[in-house]
Amino acid sequence: DADVTQTPRNRITKTGKRIMLECSQTKGHDRMYWYRQDPGLGLRLIYYSFDVKDINKGEISDGYSVSRQAQAKFSLSLESAIPNQTALYFCATSDLSSNYGYTFGSGTRLTVV
Amino acid sequence: AQKITQTQPGMFVQEKEAVTLDCTYDTSDPSYGLFWYKQPSSGEMIFLIYQGSYDQQNATEGRYSLNFQKARKSANLVISASQLGDSAMYFCAMSPNFGNEKLTFGTGTRLTIIP
Repeated sequence: DADVTQTPRNRITKTGKRIMLECSQTKGHDRMYWYRQDPGLGLRLIYYSFDVKDINKGEISDGYSVSRQAQAKFSLSLESAIPNQTALYFCATSDLSSNYGYTFGSGTRLTVV
Repeated sequence: AQKITQTQPGMFVQEKEAVTLDCTYDTSDPSYGLFWYKQPSSGEMIFLIYQGSYDQQNATEGRYSLNFQKARKSANLVISASQLGDSAMYFCAMSPNFGNEKLTFGTGTRLTIIP
């Protein structure tokens, strides 16, 4: 099993629908992140969490919410999806003691029609 | 706030040649970490190399090296003896305090290796 698992891998949804992207990890890391990737814009931080009781907005949090259900689980919700939220979404984890950056999930490709 | 600039949207390089991918950064933090990631067409993000801001020597990992010029705020990735499998998107990123907090990414460079 992958260290960081994202579900679903691909999703097509309609404008206005609520959708949840899920992330679970077996790394035992405290820190978890959600990014979105758009062509030409790189990866931009949506939300991050340094522990279960700590949730922080990132650069582009409008239109998104998150839930840290446990150390291992961090979910991203789009309350009312819109077409410009079509993107590749990555969950990632990190540990303060490591200099190897993040452990990334495989990504969720979301299309809003 | 931290900022990463990658000025090369795309590069074409002949197989077996060395390639340098440019990355400049801006930060007011005295301590920070610099990273390079590779994203092949399959989409996953692969960690390549890390450099801490107080590291005296340039980081190396196999065919990858990071040309760290602190005064110029530059952290270029050098790939020696390029291979067809090096064709991918490459992202430069940085975090405050050396460690793994809130990575800020550049916009990426798409590298294509020509046989």
